[in-house]
Amino acid sequence: TQLLEQSPQFLSIQEGENLTVYCNSSSVFSSLQWYRQEPGEGPVLLVTVVTGGEVKKLKRLTFQFGDARKDSSLHITAAQPGDTGLYLCAGDSGTYKYIFGTGTRLKVLA
Amino acid sequence: DTGVSQNPRHKITKRGQNVTFRCDPISEHNRLYWYRQTLGQGPEFLTYFQNEAQLEKSRLLSDRFSAERPKGSFSTLEIQRTEQGDSAMYLCASSLVGGSTEAFFGQGTRLTVV
Repeated sequence: TQLLEQSPQFLSIQEGENLTVYCNSSSVFSSLQWYRQEPGEGPVLLVTVVTGGEVKKLKRLTFQFGDARKDSSLHITAAQPGDTGLYLCAGDSGTYKYIFGTGTRLKVLA
Repeated sequence: DTGVSQNPRHKITKRGQNVTFRCDPISEHNRLYWYRQTLGQGPEFLTYFQNEAQLEKSRLLSDRFSAERPKGSFSTLEIQRTEQGDSAMYLCASSLVGGSTEAFFGQGTRLTVV
């Protein structure tokens, strides 16, 4: 069974601070997606990483896929209250079936 | 709006009743997924279709659950004899096999069984 573990589970920080969220697995994924979810809404896709070692940037968000394609990280620079939400990673093992991580709930205080 | 659409957004039902949810995927997407999400957790895979064929069902999908995608377009998820433990957000997503690997989600249907 493929499992994706995210850490930390909860994170509460002050506006302007930096943070990193981790997504780890013992399985290899052909691609990995990061989503953000607001309460009562569906997950919204932020980015897809495909190549081992790949780094993608989305404004203040930097996503990295591990060289072995088993792990990923999301780094947020100068966090803002609008970044508050549940961050989810989801891996595809190549069968187009997406397995989700446990989620990281981020709260950014003004 | 060409995103994934789910109806209804909210459903409150009494224990023992049957409920049906509908999902309309992005029009050219051939794969459709159903997930269930409980509070504070990540979405759990339930089942997926490629066109009209249901290719995989999770063990989470008990005999009371059935999903269909009769014409390879919209899908329905029915829960019979609902139980309080069925209360959750039911999410639908779609993707294009052979295209990008991304799955796009609808806004979900929040089910409350009282």
